[in-house]
Amino acid sequence: KQEVTQIPAALSVPEGENLVLNCSFTDSAIYNLQWFRQDPGKGLTSLLLIQSSQREQTSGRLNASLDKSSGRSTLYIAASQPGDSATYLCAVRGRNTDKLIFGTGTRLQVFP
Amino acid sequence: DAGITQSPRHKVTETGTPVTLRCHQTENHRYMYWYRQDPGHGLRLIHYSYGVKDTDKGEVSDGYSVSRSKTEDFLLTLESATSSQTSVYFCAISEQVRSYEQYFGPGTRLTVT
Repeated sequence: KQEVTQIPAALSVPEGENLVLNCSFTDSAIYNLQWFRQDPGKGLTSLLLIQSSQREQTSGRLNASLDKSSGRSTLYIAASQPGDSATYLCAVRGRNTDKLIFGTGTRLQVFP
Repeated sequence: DAGITQSPRHKVTETGTPVTLRCHQTENHRYMYWYRQDPGHGLRLIHYSYGVKDTDKGEVSDGYSVSRSKTEDFLLTLESATSSQTSVYFCAISEQVRSYEQYFGPGTRLTVT
């Protein structure tokens, strides 16, 4: 059974720092991995999707990497801003399933 | 933003009453999902649909049923609401040609008293 873990559960950093959020999964037979952002009281916003054949994806200040063999993905946020404060979730889709398995998220606070 | 709406956005109901939540999409995506989100449990899949009248169970389907009679609408019914079903419910959609990337609705906050 696929399990997805995100460490740390919470992170507080000063504005301007580059930071890395981690996502680990137990079954490397994945179809893709998706990173989301969730603001308090809101739905999830898709940030990046990495296919199993890809090593990384970039969108603006965000870069997500994927290492299937080690069961890890990282989300790199460059030059963090207070507006980046949110909960970040990763989710994995297996090869033979229509379902996503979610981690429990990292709650990020960026202070001025 | 993907065209996904959920109704109602907030609901308070009493234990034992039936409740139906609606998800409506304007994207013509084949796949639709219902999740619940609870502190300490994260997002858990309740039911999903892979086409009109085609549905399957997720990991927490007990006490819930779904129906999809049109591509754009996916209904979640709590047959007899219990306090343990107090949660935030999210609908999501995806499509194969977009690599099954999931897009989420704004959520429905349900309180069962």
